[in-house]
Amino acid sequence: AQSVAQPEDQVNVAEGNPLTVKCTYSVSGNPYLFWYVQYPNRGLQFLLKYITGDNLVKGSYGFEAEFNKSQTSFHLKKPSALVSDSALYFCAVTFPENTGFQKLVFGTGTRLLVSP
Amino acid sequence: NAGVMQNPRHLVRRRGQEARLRCSPMKGHSHVYWYRQLPEEGLKFMVYLQKENIIDESGMPKERFSAEFPKEGPSILRIQQVVRGDSAAYFCASSPADGSSGNTIYFGEGSWLTVV
Repeated sequence: AQSVAQPEDQVNVAEGNPLTVKCTYSVSGNPYLFWYVQYPNRGLQFLLKYITGDNLVKGSYGFEAEFNKSQTSFHLKKPSALVSDSALYFCAVTFPENTGFQKLVFGTGTRLLVSP
Repeated sequence: NAGVMQNPRHLVRRRGQEARLRCSPMKGHSHVYWYRQLPEEGLKFMVYLQKENIIDESGMPKERFSAEFPKEGPSILRIQQVVRGDSAAYFCASSPADGSSGNTIYFGEGSWLTVV
């Protein structure tokens, strides 16, 4: 079965330090991978996606993610965290080859807390 | 370009009542998805619709839940005879095509249903 794992419920980092939010997936086929961010009582905002091509993907607000096929990972990174980055982050995957359409499978989310 | 519009943002219903949640996709988008987020959980796929067609409803509960996307007007997610377990955030999303080329899915702000 297709699944996404976000092994950390919460990540704490000090402002100005680099941050990493981890995501791994189980796969059969070639996945499309996404990161979304959710602020309290708000919808999901798209950050970035990997479809094909360069394994390092750059997205909104200075975030980037690296697709690693051998490790089936798609970790989200930012060189220097801001307090305003504090939110809930979701990794998602879809397998259009299998489903024929974009049914996103989400991880359980990782709460990022950036301290001043 | 307005985003995905959902209303109401918050809805309170007594057990046994009906809840209707509305979603207008982004302009130019003809594909609509509904996801449900239970407290402290990730999003779960419910249904995927195109105009006048339900394409995949594999995530919909077998009873009490229905969805439509008419030729004119918004998509509607309808929950009949609500129970407390239906309390959740319901997110609508849209995309311009079926995702086979990795189109981004954009989410609305969500509708928070509380059943009392």
